[in-house]
Amino acid sequence: DAGITQSPRHKVTETGTPVTLRCHQTENHRYMYWYRQDPGHGLRLIHYSYGVKDTDKGEVSDGYSVSRSKTEDFLLTLESATSSQTSVYFCAISTDRVGNSPLHFGNGTRLTVT
Amino acid sequence: EDQVTQSPEALRLQEGESSSLNCSYTVSGLRGLFWYRQDPGKGPEFLFTLYSAGEEKEKERLKATLTKKESFLHITAPKPEDSATYLCAVQALTGGYNKLIFGAGTRLAVHP
Repeated sequence: DAGITQSPRHKVTETGTPVTLRCHQTENHRYMYWYRQDPGHGLRLIHYSYGVKDTDKGEVSDGYSVSRSKTEDFLLTLESATSSQTSVYFCAISTDRVGNSPLHFGNGTRLTVT
Repeated sequence: EDQVTQSPEALRLQEGESSSLNCSYTVSGLRGLFWYRQDPGKGPEFLFTLYSAGEEKEKERLKATLTKKESFLHITAPKPEDSATYLCAVQALTGGYNKLIFGAGTRLAVHP
C-alpha cells in the first residue's frame, strides 16, 4: 500500500451534509492526488497537491475542496454532499508530477450519499 | 479529444489459457503509458511503464507492449491469482499541461 492510509474506509451520509475524507502517507512524497472511481469510467482526478499549501484542480473538481497543511496529510472535503458524489475515492502519491512517475494508491473510501 | 479505451470490458479464461488485453489511445503528445492491477476493494497497484513504441516490459506471466496507437498486456498461462481488473493510463501533454487519462479497465477472471 506504499504507506498510504485512507479514512474512513466506508461512509454513508445524507444529501447536503459536509464530508471530509483523509489521506495520510508515510513516504514523504511531494505529490498527492484525489481520484474518484465510478463504474464504466476511468479514474478521474479531482484535485492534487504539489506541496504543503499548494493545490490545484483536476478535471472533476466542482463541489470539492482540498487542504494540505502537512506533507503527510491531504484532506478532501465535499462541501455539501450530493447523490452524484456517491463513489469510491482514492488517494494517490508520487515522487514526481503526474505521469512522470508511477502513482501509488491507497485502498479507497467508499462514500454513499443518500 | 484525448481518449483511452480498454477492451474487452471483461474476459473469462481457463487456467493456462493465454490471452491479451488491449488499451488503445488517441492523445496528443504521448509521454508514457502505465499499467495497473486492481483487486476488489483495493487501490490500483502499479505494474509497468512504457515510454516509446516498440518497448516491452515483463513481470512473471505478464508482458506489456506498446505501439503508436495501442498497448497490449499479454498474459501467458494465467493462474486464478491473476484474476483482477487491469487498468491502463496514458500520460499526455495537452495544451502545455501533463494529463494522466485512465481507461475504464478490463475485468479478468481466470478459472481453475
